Amino acid sequence: SQQGEEDPQALSIQEGENATMNCSYKTSINNLQWYRQNSGRGLVHLILIRSNEREKHSGRLRVTLDTSKKSSSLLITASRAADTASYFCATDAGGSEKLVFGKGTKLTVNP
Amino acid sequence: EAGVTQSPTHLIKTRGQQATLRCSPISGHTSVYWYQQALGLGLQFLLWYDEGEERNRGNFPPRFSGRQFPNYSSELNVNALELEDSALYLCASSLDWGTDTQYFGPGTRLTVL
Repeated sequence: SQQGEEDPQALSIQEGENATMNCSYKTSINNLQWYRQNSGRGLVHLILIRSNEREKHSGRLRVTLDTSKKSSSLLITASRAADTASYFCATDAGGSEKLVFGKGTKLTVNP
Repeated sequence: EAGVTQSPTHLIKTRGQQATLRCSPISGHTSVYWYQQALGLGLQFLLWYDEGEERNRGNFPPRFSGRQFPNYSSELNVNALELEDSALYLCASSLDWGTDTQYFGPGTRLTVL
């Protein structure tokens, strides 16, 4: 079954608002990563959080990880139109070399 | 530092033909991964190469194959192309396998007519 299920599938917000995306997974992991993809192009790595970490920040990004609930969230603060993209979480649950991706959250930030 | 590069950007083939996709990892990275992103199926792991050897493959038929060269660049070959092979093929590299971050290239969009 699919690991890394993102929720919601689509999210539309206004510039300046915060965007929160969630990811759930099913089996134990060593780490969880978030990636961004602009219109069917390559993936851009955003942040990696390890299983012994609970929260991590990078610029306007904040990621939390709750291993007891097998879930993670990505918060983008003060969103910009340029944040419009699909966001994927990926776990190493398939084996440390094989990332397992969810289907992604499509974020639209309206100017 | 240059990122992961892939060529060609777009590739159009007809059913039954063979396609060859190429990937150059970030300098110093020894592991190369291939993923398929087909419409409606999401990103699926295809192959992992490390130090010139195929280390793992996803749930894909044998007509998907590849290799890794001594300079760590990699090639993905898809034989006997089928319509459902139309997808974005993404290559990623990492410094080492394990818990290291995978960095992705821009992808090759393969269209099978």
